[in-house]
Amino acid sequence: DSGVTQTPKHLITATGQRVTLRCSPRSGDLSVYWYQQSLDQGLQFLIQYYNGEERAKGNILERFSAQQFPDLHSELNLSSLELGDSALYFCASSVGHLYEQYFGPGTRLTVT
Amino acid sequence: GESVGLHLPTLSVQEGDNSIINCAYSNSASDYFIWYKQESGKGPQFIIDIRSNMDKRQGQRVTVLLNKTVKHLSLQIAATQPGDSAVYFCAESVNRDDKIIFGKGTRLHILP
Repeated sequence: DSGVTQTPKHLITATGQRVTLRCSPRSGDLSVYWYQQSLDQGLQFLIQYYNGEERAKGNILERFSAQQFPDLHSELNLSSLELGDSALYFCASSVGHLYEQYFGPGTRLTVT
Repeated sequence: GESVGLHLPTLSVQEGDNSIINCAYSNSASDYFIWYKQESGKGPQFIIDIRSNMDKRQGQRVTVLLNKTVKHLSLQIAATQPGDSAVYFCAESVNRDDKIIFGKGTRLHILP
């Protein structure tokens, strides 16, 4: 157990819908990272937050957004969902940037 | 552009032998490298990292080698065990404010 929790574990929704994925980092970790893992694209870095502020941005679509709250938990919002958004979404946390990242168990999103 | 790749998508190794997983990176400005292990159905797990001011770092049964001249990274696992079966990812990061780029992954298969 990495200490990072993600909810829900599975999510099935229809195209065009909007979903919110939630992540609680390890106690004491200030950085939260979001990743998308699909069969054809591998593990793609989406976005990083550090202590509530956006720190780095990767291959995140404009339909996706994220935030980190004062209690350091983070949410990833995915809107106007498409079939191609079906993937595993992982959250990771670390003490700071470029420190060891601890990954959560992931949320499996299926868009039908 | 920036890219992280792996020479072999699948590596089969006899139990007890040493495993060497290779990774090539193209961005000479990358200054931080990480190896992750992902077992089936789980999130990636940090194995070991190395910064660009080093060329070797050792952990428990693992060693990471960095050759900046040829932009090559390798992970050596000593006395490979059945529990080492997983997909291994290398990742790179450029300076403290940049995104983290993951390679496609190499599957390590342990032969009995």
